[in-house]
Amino acid sequence: EDQVTQSPEALRLQEGESSSLNCSYTVSGLRGLFWYRQDPGKGPEFLFTLYSAGEEKEKERLKATLTKKESFLHITAPKPEDSATYLCAAGRSNDYKLSFGAGTTVTVRA
Amino acid sequence: EAQVTQNPRYLITVTGKKLTVTCSQNMNHEYMSWYRQDPGLGLRQIYYSMNVEVTDKGDVPEGYKVSRKEKRNFPLILESPSPNQTSLYFCASSLYRTRETQYFGPGTRLLVL
Repeated sequence: EDQVTQSPEALRLQEGESSSLNCSYTVSGLRGLFWYRQDPGKGPEFLFTLYSAGEEKEKERLKATLTKKESFLHITAPKPEDSATYLCAAGRSNDYKLSFGAGTTVTVRA
Repeated sequence: EAQVTQNPRYLITVTGKKLTVTCSQNMNHEYMSWYRQDPGLGLRQIYYSMNVEVTDKGDVPEGYKVSRKEKRNFPLILESPSPNQTSLYFCASSLYRTRETQYFGPGTRLLVL
């Protein structure tokens, strides 16, 4: 059965304190690995798509990387506005389903 | 403005009373999907649709129905709601070829008593 597991569940950072979020996946026939950001009371917002091991994507203070078993979302010198829940999702190549992890809630204190 | 709208945003109902949550998008997207979000479980896909009149089950379809008669609309129907369907529901849409780049609606919080 496909599984997407995120760790840690919660992360509290001081402003400027860099860290990484982990997303491990067990998906047969991975089509791609996707990262979303979700603010309280809102729907998820798309961040990145990664299709193959070794691929990296960057956006402002966020950088996503992919290996054959996991993906990392690195937050460099975070600011309070980076506080959110970050979700990863895996898509399969043989159908149109998308499996999400439970998310990592990041809190950045000024 | 490109958006996905859901109605209602909040709903309290009783067990067994049929309800429909509407979802509409104005981006001419082919792909639409429904998710439920529960604490500790994350987003779980209920149903998805690749285009008009084409739908398929996600990971948790039991107790739900959908239809896609028009490209812009994708309503979620609970024929006989039960308390275990209390959840936060999201509708999402995307272009078919980039279906993982989904635009999500604001969510519908449902409480079934």
